[in-house]
Amino acid sequence: GQQVMQIPQYQHVQEGEDFTTYCNSSTTLSNIQWYKQRPGGHPVFLIQLVKSGEVKKQKRLTFQFGEAKKNSSLHITATQTTDVGTYFCAGLSLNDYKLSFGAGTTVTVRA
Amino acid sequence: DGGITQSPKYLFRKEGQNVTLSCEQNLNHDAMYWYRQDPGQGLRLIYYSQIVNDFQKGDIAEGYSVSREKKESFPLTVTSAQKNPTAFYLCASQTGGPYGYTFGSGTRLTVV
Repeated sequence: GQQVMQIPQYQHVQEGEDFTTYCNSSTTLSNIQWYKQRPGGHPVFLIQLVKSGEVKKQKRLTFQFGEAKKNSSLHITATQTTDVGTYFCAGLSLNDYKLSFGAGTTVTVRA
Repeated sequence: DGGITQSPKYLFRKEGQNVTLSCEQNLNHDAMYWYRQDPGQGLRLIYYSQIVNDFQKGDIAEGYSVSREKKESFPLTVTSAQKNPTAFYLCASQTGGPYGYTFGSGTRLTVV
């Protein structure tokens, strides 16, 4: 079955620095979604990428979908304490409606 | 306000007992999902339903059961057959299009 791998599992960032989390699928995806889960909270939808090579920005967050639609990345610039949480990518397969989640990247920020 | 309500937030049960987790949405979404989250792991799909009176097994359905008698409701029963039921359970719904899933606030189940 489809597997979505996400790296790194943990990211410790100095406030103001940039970082990137990567997501790779074993199969070609219909689309990829990104979610953020704050500590003690539930996942909140951030964005969906559908087109090959698509790039979308949300303020300091930049999301990319690979040309082959098998990988994606989330880049955060000038990290702030409000960025703390776990970021999940989730890929929708071409064949069914099931969303497969990566294990997430848990981000901590040093002030 | 529209959203998904999961209750209770915390639930404690003795081993061997069945327990039902509630999930209600007023978003008029057709599709609903149950996920399980364990520490350090992603979300794993238990069951999903695309339409009323129909549902499919996800990746880890063993030991769980669901029903979808109403569009708004998708309760999950954790049966005594589930070998490791202690986890954080998340319900989600989706309407399609570029909007992603809407998650409830979750139920943290502890079986002792």
